[in-house]
Amino acid sequence: GESVGLHLPTLSVQEGDNSIINCAYSNSASDYFIWYKQESGKGPQFIIDIRSNMDKRQGQRVTVLLNKTVKHLSLQIAATQPGDSAVYFCAETQNSGYSTLTFGKGTMLLVSP
Amino acid sequence: KAGVTQTPRYLIKTRGQQVTLSCSPISGHRSVSWYQQTPGQGLQFLFEYFSETQRNKGNFPGRFSGRQFSNSRSEMNVSTLELGDSALYLCASSLRGVDTEAFFGQGTRLTVV
Repeated sequence: GESVGLHLPTLSVQEGDNSIINCAYSNSASDYFIWYKQESGKGPQFIIDIRSNMDKRQGQRVTVLLNKTVKHLSLQIAATQPGDSAVYFCAETQNSGYSTLTFGKGTMLLVSP
Repeated sequence: KAGVTQTPRYLIKTRGQQVTLSCSPISGHRSVSWYQQTPGQGLQFLFEYFSETQRNKGNFPGRFSGRQFSNSRSEMNVSTLELGDSALYLCASSLRGVDTEAFFGQGTRLTVV
């Protein structure tokens, strides 16, 4: 079936660098996308979301970009810190209002001091 | 404001047994979703409850079931446990579904031996 995927399983960066985590989705009906961060031993934590009527959304040090033409989603983290080290998941919903989140496999972000 | 609480945090069960996991959502949240997380399959949707009704169900066998109480607390049950049921079980609560921000608990780590 259709699912959300990630290009890079592991991303290693230096502290202070900008990080970009990518995600491809295949369901053109998806209308809501979310990025989650999961630290070891914890549940996923909401980072930022974007709806399909937007191309870009910014938060604190994070930006999500959505390219519907090529079905691509990215998470940009500015000035990456060691505390950003975690697994990052993108997720999509196919029906607004119904709780069916389809998650990607995840990207491990490793930040070196 | 208290977060999502899952109990117990860890469980060890024997094949063939059954298990019940509990999730207390954030106060005021009426939607509770359950997910199974394994290294091989990632995060997979189990089911979602809203106001005591199951609104959506993932592709899991009938051994997996759940319910939601009038105070929005939810339980999931797995009967006739198999080794492959070993996983981290996560619940997420949201106001009305995951088109609104979903908050995850820390999960219950189930090990079947």
